[in-house]
Amino acid sequence: DQQVKQNSPSLSVQEGRISILNCDYTNSMFDYFLWYKKYPAEGPTFLISISSIKDKNEDGRFTVFLNKSAKHLSLHIVPSQPGDSAVYFCAATNSGGSNYKLTFGKGTLLTVNP
Amino acid sequence: DSGVTQTPKHLITATGQRVTLRCSPRSGDLSVYWYQQSLDQGLQFLIQYYNGEERAKGNILERFSAQQFPDLHSELNLSSLELGDSALYFCASSVDSGGPTQQFFGPGTRLTVL
Repeated sequence: DQQVKQNSPSLSVQEGRISILNCDYTNSMFDYFLWYKKYPAEGPTFLISISSIKDKNEDGRFTVFLNKSAKHLSLHIVPSQPGDSAVYFCAATNSGGSNYKLTFGKGTLLTVNP
Repeated sequence: DSGVTQTPKHLITATGQRVTLRCSPRSGDLSVYWYQQSLDQGLQFLIQYYNGEERAKGNILERFSAQQFPDLHSELNLSSLELGDSALYFCASSVDSGGPTQQFFGPGTRLTVL
């Protein structure tokens, strides 16, 4: 039972355009969400997070939107750069527990073409 | 550089053997999480330690065990290895006080069981 789903295994965009990566979750207990970027042969690197008390969080070129009623979040990258090419993971956790284990989606491979 | 170190980077062993993976968290982080990334399963939470005590268990096999030492480094022990245990094993650390924050991931240990 996949509680966090990234339905697009891959996405290809042109440099300078917007990249939109999507993520859906099913567990209503999740209230804190994170996006990680992963290059080959490296560990995941944190990009941006959002708490369920917000519907948007922005950090430079990265913006995460959260739609709680639809249990959907998205990561927008504007403008996209070739160095953004990587696998992007959506992750979720419950802030009310005693541990903050992350439940990950399977990732979306983003390719930004020059 | 996330500040989380993992050794070894690569490990090749045979079925039935036992191995130990080591993780040193970022300075000041009390929580250590272990995740397994296999080809078809994405990143799966295995186990969490907080300040030396086990706090949460995920889909961790009985053949696997972990511990966190007084200096906060952690070891993941995998025994009676099977072909299906071949995967990337990541450890992550975080502060985990007052709510979830980003987890910082190490570069991973790639385990190959032949």
